[in-house]
Amino acid sequence: QQQVKQSPQSLIVQKGGISIINCAYENTAFDYFPWYQQFPGKGPALLIAIRPDVSEKKEGRFTISFNKSAKQFSLHIMDSQPGDSATYFCAASNSGGYQKVTFGTGTKLQVIP
Amino acid sequence: DTAVSQTPKYLVTQMGNDKSIKCEQNLGHDTMYWYKQDSKKFLKIMFSYNNKELIINETVPNRFSPKSPDKAHLNLHINSLELGDSAVYFCASSHVRSATNEKLFFGSGTQLSVL
Repeated sequence: QQQVKQSPQSLIVQKGGISIINCAYENTAFDYFPWYQQFPGKGPALLIAIRPDVSEKKEGRFTISFNKSAKQFSLHIMDSQPGDSATYFCAASNSGGYQKVTFGTGTKLQVIP
Repeated sequence: DTAVSQTPKYLVTQMGNDKSIKCEQNLGHDTMYWYKQDSKKFLKIMFSYNNKELIINETVPNRFSPKSPDKAHLNLHINSLELGDSAVYFCASSHVRSATNEKLFFGSGTQLSVL
């Protein structure tokens, strides 16, 4: 059972463009929604995260939009750069007690010059 | 200083062999994890230990046995390796019951290839 669905599987964006990755979740007990960035040969690293009490969070060129009623959230990368080329994972967890993070299936982003 | 380090980076072995992967974290975290990333990049949790106690044990063949000698170390031993075990295994850590307990810190992974 895939509790966090992520799309698209891959994405090619021109340098300077906007990259958008979407995720949907099923478990209403989830209350923490992070995005992880993974470069080839490296482990995932936390990029940005949001809690459901806000609808948007921005950190530099990265923005999470969150729609609690639709159980959807998305990552927007503004002014995409070749250095942003990586695999992005959305995730969700329930922070009560010992957390178990459920990851989306990943989106491979390629930013072309 | 590497926060979460795991060894070896690459592991190539024959079917039926037994192998171990070691992980250490120097972040002072109390919880450690093993994740498996398959060829399609899907990340799935296998085990989690909090202060040496097993707290998450997903549906994983019992050929996989984690061991946590102390809260800074979590090792993964795999018996009778099979072709389907080929994947990248990531160790991770976090600090439960802190304000930002959900943040996972991952190691660089161990690429296991079973021939």
